[in-house]
Amino acid sequence: DTEVTQTPKHLVMGMTNKKSLKCEQHMGHRAMYWYKQKAKKPPELMFVYSYEKLSINESVPSRFSPECPNSSLLNLHLHALQPEDSALYLCASSPSGLAGSTDTQYFGPGTRLTVL
Amino acid sequence: KNEVEQSPQNLTAQEGEFITINCSYSVGISALHWLQQHPGGGIVSLFMLSSGKKKHGRLIATINIQEKHSSLHITASHPRDSAVYICAVGKMGQKLVFGQGTRLTINP
Repeated sequence: DTEVTQTPKHLVMGMTNKKSLKCEQHMGHRAMYWYKQKAKKPPELMFVYSYEKLSINESVPSRFSPECPNSSLLNLHLHALQPEDSALYLCASSPSGLAGSTDTQYFGPGTRLTVL
Repeated sequence: KNEVEQSPQNLTAQEGEFITINCSYSVGISALHWLQQHPGGGIVSLFMLSSGKKKHGRLIATINIQEKHSSLHITASHPRDSAVYICAVGKMGQKLVFGQGTRLTINP
């Protein structure tokens, strides 16, 4: 299995809803990432987990809450989002736990989130 | 000024043409990545370079560390190469810094 999967593919939620995005990889990768991407912009890093521990938090608002239950799974819990949070949310993983830019990152297809 | 600059921002070419996309960066790096993003979202890592040149099929990536410059070349371009190509750089243990991307359209 050489892919990163993300569910759901699309999500529409209201500002009072609570929802979760899920990411899974079975490549034995030790680092996992959440990115946010607005239209026609490059991805912006949100969080990095290295060996299942949060290693980078890019000052993301607390309405986004990451969770890494095990080495294969990464969740992003969403609560009280704003319309400007509408974006493509990409998950990625990389083999080593260095969680940095000297490792190839494998991206999932993304979840397209719309906040009404 | 962005730490990573790509040129051109948009490129339209005819099928079969030789394509070059450039990336310049202003910081010291451990590695440079070329990524491809098709409409619909998914990103594929094409190359990771720290020196020299790499080739995969019709794609060639080069890097000149002294000049802080990299190029991505596509030979015999095809409409399926139409995508956004993103250059990203960084140091070990640090996050990637992305360029703004080059939108490539190959017409049949």
